[in-house]
Amino acid sequence: DAKTTQPTSMDCAEGRAANLPCNHSTISGNEYVYWYRQIHSQGPQYIIHGLKNNETNEMASLIITEDRKSSTLILPHATLRDTAVYYCIAYTGTASKLTFGTGTRLQVTL
Amino acid sequence: DTAVSQTPKYLVTQMGNDKSIKCEQNLGHDTMYWYKQDSKKFLKIMFSYNNKELIINETVPNRFSPKSPDKAHLNLHINSLELGDSAVYFCASSGLAGRTDTQYFGPGTRLTVL
Repeated sequence: DAKTTQPTSMDCAEGRAANLPCNHSTISGNEYVYWYRQIHSQGPQYIIHGLKNNETNEMASLIITEDRKSSTLILPHATLRDTAVYYCIAYTGTASKLTFGTGTRLQVTL
Repeated sequence: DTAVSQTPKYLVTQMGNDKSIKCEQNLGHDTMYWYKQDSKKFLKIMFSYNNKELIINETVPNRFSPKSPDKAHLNLHINSLELGDSAVYFCASSGLAGRTDTQYFGPGTRLTVL
């Protein structure tokens, strides 16, 4: 599995967009970019994933660069409940293991 | 109508005991997993089963034995518990939807070995 690199922590004001970057310069052509988050000690929560195209769902948007070496998760209007550790994972999506790194701790403040 | 559920939520036990953690999913998924999150918060795969067949076993001591009675259940039995087994254990399941097999996690079981 390709290694991903994320900033250790970020802050965001409530109501503003939170942009979480991820580098995955060694990602393979068959690996998707997956994002999960873990709120406190709850189970990891799936957010979104993509291969090449940008993706949007009710939780977030995912922007993947054309060379696929990096991506950005966007929470358009962050709330206090979005405070969590966010994990970017390169995953083949074929029922194999998810390799979690250390993630980005996002703190949303008033 | 919880998708992936685990019991118990908390488990406190003495060293040397044998304990089990249960996991059930009602998503109709074919694959189930156990992950372990240690005190440093690293999340690592332990096992996965596909249709009751073991497909991933990540260098876990053989004191840990997963058991899958059917594809909706994957239980984790731990023999001779040690202090280092204290962790949060997460169950997950996945099923092919479109082109990818996205994993969904349960709420976790916090195991404390005294």
